[in-house]
This record gives sequence, structure tokens and C-alpha cells, in this order.
Amino acid sequence: QSALTQPASVSGSPGQSITISCTGTSSDVGGYNYFSWYQQHPGKAPKLMLYDVGNRPSGVSNRFSGSKSDNTASLTISGLQADDEGDYYCSLYTTGNTVVFGGGTKLTVL
Amino acid sequence: QVQVVESGGGLVKPGGSLRLSCATSGFTFSDYYMIWIRQAPGKGLEWVSYISSGGDVIYYADSVKGRVTISRDNAEKSLYLQMNSLRAEDTAVYYCARCLLVGKGMDVWGQGTTVTVSS
Repeated sequence: QSALTQPASVSGSPGQSITISCTGTSSDVGGYNYFSWYQQHPGKAPKLMLYDVGNRPSGVSNRFSGSKSDNTASLTISGLQADDEGDYYCSLYTTGNTVVFGGGTKLTVL
Repeated sequence: QVQVVESGGGLVKPGGSLRLSCATSGFTFSDYYMIWIRQAPGKGLEWVSYISSGGDVIYYADSVKGRVTISRDNAEKSLYLQMNSLRAEDTAVYYCARCLLVGKGMDVWGQGTTVTVSS
């Protein structure tokens, strides 16, 4: 159960776009699209933003999008807003039927 | 209103036990896999365990295997986590969450219950 690798921090100005990467091992990813992304504001529970790499649950803004290349998934937030600031975690349902998270990325909106 | 509410956290001495509960409402509990995730103070999310809708498929993280037991009562619409031989490193906020589908992410989260292991 190897943790996923995310950058510790990213930043952007309002209106800009940012991308957060999330890399797993080939044995954990196995060619599947079981990556999901969560947003967490301080003191709050995480919120599901994307699942299956790029699918948005009902109610999540279309400013949030996802992609995947090989063993790396990416979350892109376009048109950055102040409320987007927080911690973002990627997660993977592995080929071994376990769940792993990335270490988290702190997004700062300048 | 779809929600899950955790309870049962508290202060416990190393080596002690605690049973966490997660009460659910607003959805057909027996249709969903459920999961426990924890977050140590100032740290990231860590998966603990999940259980299938019928309770027959269970997986644990290596960090808790042999010390915790996940279970569910579909009639009571509740999820549980029995934690034994607790260690300082088990100190965390424990979240109960609903799995959208197997492998598809967790779409409903509770506010968490805090477990502190300290002498």
C-alpha cells in the first residue's frame, strides 16, 4: 500500500488555472481509472470533487476537471476562486482492493 | 437528507479499546459499501478499512490489521469500528464515509469523531 505522490503546495491568482498531479505505482494503478479527488477546508470533512479520474458528482462545479496519463492523475481547477483554497487529496482504489491517499496538496489562492 | 454521523471517540490509554459508531440516514444503507478513514492531527487522510454492502467483503490497512474490526448492522443502518490495542499513532479524527460504488470514491462523509490515545 504505497502512498500516492502529490506536490505539497500549489498557488494561483483568482481567475487562473492550476493543476495538481498525483502519481501512483503501476502495480497499484493497474491501468484502471479508480482515481478520485477530495477538497478539504480547515476543520471540515473532505468533499468528493472527482471520481473515476474525471467524473464530477452532482453539485461540483465544472471548473474542476481531471485527466490521467499512465500512472498519474491530474486535477485542474480553472477560473480560480478564493473559496477553492484548501487542501486537496487524491485517492486510488488499488488492484489489491485497498485504498491509498496522496499526502495532500495545499492550494493557496493569492 | 443523506447523512452519516460518527460517535464513540474519546481519550483512551495506550493498549485500550474503543468502539466507534456511524449512524446513517437518508439513503438505503444496505446498498452501499462503507469505509473508515482517519486523519492524524495536522496530517493527511489515511484509509483504515472498508466493508461491502452485505458485510461479506472486508479489507484493512496494514497499519491497523489485527487490531481493528469493522462491522455493520444493516437493520440499524449503522457502521462500527472496534479498535483494540490502541497506540499513540492511532490518535486521529475518524471519518465514516459512504462509497459511491466500489472504487468510485466516497461521496458522503461525516464530521468525524476524535480518538486520542495518551497516558
